[in-house]
This record gives sequence, structure tokens and C-alpha cells, in this order.
Amino acid sequence: AQSVSQHNHHVILSEAASLELGCNYSYGGTVNLFWYVQYPGQHLQLLLKYFSGDPLVKGIKGFEAEFIKSKFSFNLRKPSVQWSDTAEYFCAVNAYNTDKLIFGTGTRLQVFP
Amino acid sequence: ETGVTQTPRHLVMGMTNKKSLKCEQHLGHNAMYWYKQSAKKPLELMFVYNFKEQTENNSVPSRFSPECPNSSHLFLHLHTLQPEDSALYLCASSQQGDTGELFFGEGSRLTVL
Repeated sequence: AQSVSQHNHHVILSEAASLELGCNYSYGGTVNLFWYVQYPGQHLQLLLKYFSGDPLVKGIKGFEAEFIKSKFSFNLRKPSVQWSDTAEYFCAVNAYNTDKLIFGTGTRLQVFP
Repeated sequence: ETGVTQTPRHLVMGMTNKKSLKCEQHLGHNAMYWYKQSAKKPLELMFVYNFKEQTENNSVPSRFSPECPNSSHLFLHLHTLQPEDSALYLCASSQQGDTGELFFGEGSRLTVL
């Protein structure tokens, strides 16, 4: 069965620090990969996604993620975080051509001014 | 406004009550989902409907009963729940055959006393 692991449960940073959140998945076939973000009191929304092509994908608000197939990883990065990035971040994967999106446990990011 | 509307936003019920959660999507999608979000656990996929037909029941107890009368509406009927069922219930929609991106509602916070 597919699963998604997010090893960082809670990350605390100061503004302007760099961010990297880990995501690993278990599935041997072709996958689509996603990062979703949930700001306090708001709905889950898509941050970025990878389907094929360039393994380095760029999303909204300066976020990017790199798909490393050999490591089954899709880590999220941002060079300089802002206070407004405080949120919970979820990595998700679905096997190609299926309608089951499997999520990780989420990483809570707190950014202090 | 997310395009996916859930009501009620908050619900408190006793273990013997019967209640329903409602979801409506205004995006013209043909697939709808129920997820359960509990603290420190991955989002759990509960049900998937494609073109009003249930295509996934992820071993959900029968005290949760979904209903999808058309592609725009999804219900979750609740009966004889347990306190451990207290969680945030998220509805999502997508365009089947598309890339797997889900659009979420803001959720219904359920507390079972």
C-alpha cells in the first residue's frame, strides 16, 4: 500500500531562515506528487505539484520542491521564509491514473519575526 | 471562497444522535471525496465518488454513511458515533481523469460527546 512519511512534525524558524521539509513515499510505480498548505483557520490549498518533466517544480509564494526518484523523495524548500508562511504543510501522492490521494501526517511550521 | 462549501462548520452531537454533513462543489467537477483529519494523524481517505458512483470505501465503519445524489453534492450521514470519531471532516472535489489535484472545503468540525 502507498504511504507518505513526513519526518518533521513541528518546525520553528525565524524570518529569513531557509526551509526544507522532508517527504518520502512508498510506491514503486509512476506517481503524481503534491504539497498542500493549510493556513490557520483556512482550507487546504495546493502549493505545488509534480507530474512529469523537470524534477524541480516551483509553486506559489516562492516555494519549490525537488523530486528525487531514486530516493522516493519530494522535499519542499524555500530560501527565505516569512511570518506569513506559518501554516501546516502536507505532502501527498497518488499513483498515476488513480483517484486516491494519500497524505502524510503534516508538518507544522511556525515562523517568528 | 474555495468553490467547495461545507455545512455545518461545527457540530456537537451525542452518541445516539443522527446528523448529516453536507458538501457542495461549484467547480463542475465529477469526483468528490470525504477525508477525516485528526490531530497528529495523516488525512484519512474515507470515501470517493466518481460520477455519483462510489468507487472507494476505505474500510469506514457503517456508522458513517455517504450519499451522493449528483456530481455537485455529497453528504455524510452520521449515526451512533463514538467519541473517537471527533475530528475535522473534509470534503474535496476533482476532475476525474485530470491530474489528481483536489480542491478542499473548509471542513466540518465534529465533536461527539
